[in-house]
Amino acid sequence: DIQVTQSPSSVSASVGDRVTISCRASQGISSWLAWYQQKPGKAPNLLIYAASSLQTGVPSRFSGSGSGTDFTLTISSLQPEDFATYYCQQANSFPTFGQGTRLEIK
Amino acid sequence: QVQLVQSGAEVKKPGASVKVSCKASGYTFISYGISWVRQAPGQGLEWMGWISVYNGNTNYAQKLQGRVTMNTDTSTSTAYMELRSLRSDDTAVYYCARVMGATNFVDYWGQGTLVTVSS
Repeated sequence: DIQVTQSPSSVSASVGDRVTISCRASQGISSWLAWYQQKPGKAPNLLIYAASSLQTGVPSRFSGSGSGTDFTLTISSLQPEDFATYYCQQANSFPTFGQGTRLEIK
Repeated sequence: QVQLVQSGAEVKKPGASVKVSCKASGYTFISYGISWVRQAPGQGLEWMGWISVYNGNTNYAQKLQGRVTMNTDTSTSTAYMELRSLRSDDTAVYYCARVMGATNFVDYWGQGTLVTVSS
């Protein structure tokens, strides 16, 4: 299976900050990568698919970039509702998820 | 609006089986695949497998091969996931999710079903 490694595992930030989360695949996956947000007790929510396509209804402060093995999720100006756990997922072969990045309030 | 509504929480003994349902509404059921993802308490997400609602083709995670079966009932727009020979490490929230087109991205999720395996 293709492995995906996220970094950092947790990050503390303040409202208004710019935050980036990275995801590295163990082999090239072209643009077959998605990002999900999950809040406690809730199902994940699709933010970005195909590395950089914004899912309908997701605020434009979320953006994704990258291809091949290295990918980034950027939140341009953190809002209170953005504090959650974020997962990347490779969709090139049998899907696998990163271990998650917990975004906490500083 | 697209909705996936799952069956309720289950408590099972080791060695038993569980079958979770996922009723879809708000879209043409046969046009999208369904994936199943689970999440152990306090842990990350694990992809279990996928089923094509159109032709019934499946692709299961290697570690679950032989213990998991996914199927659908197009007459009721419902997907099912059965897991057999349950172990304590199968305790998790199980999610169904709609697959986007010919990809492995999922755009809508069920609310989750907690399955607890305990003697």
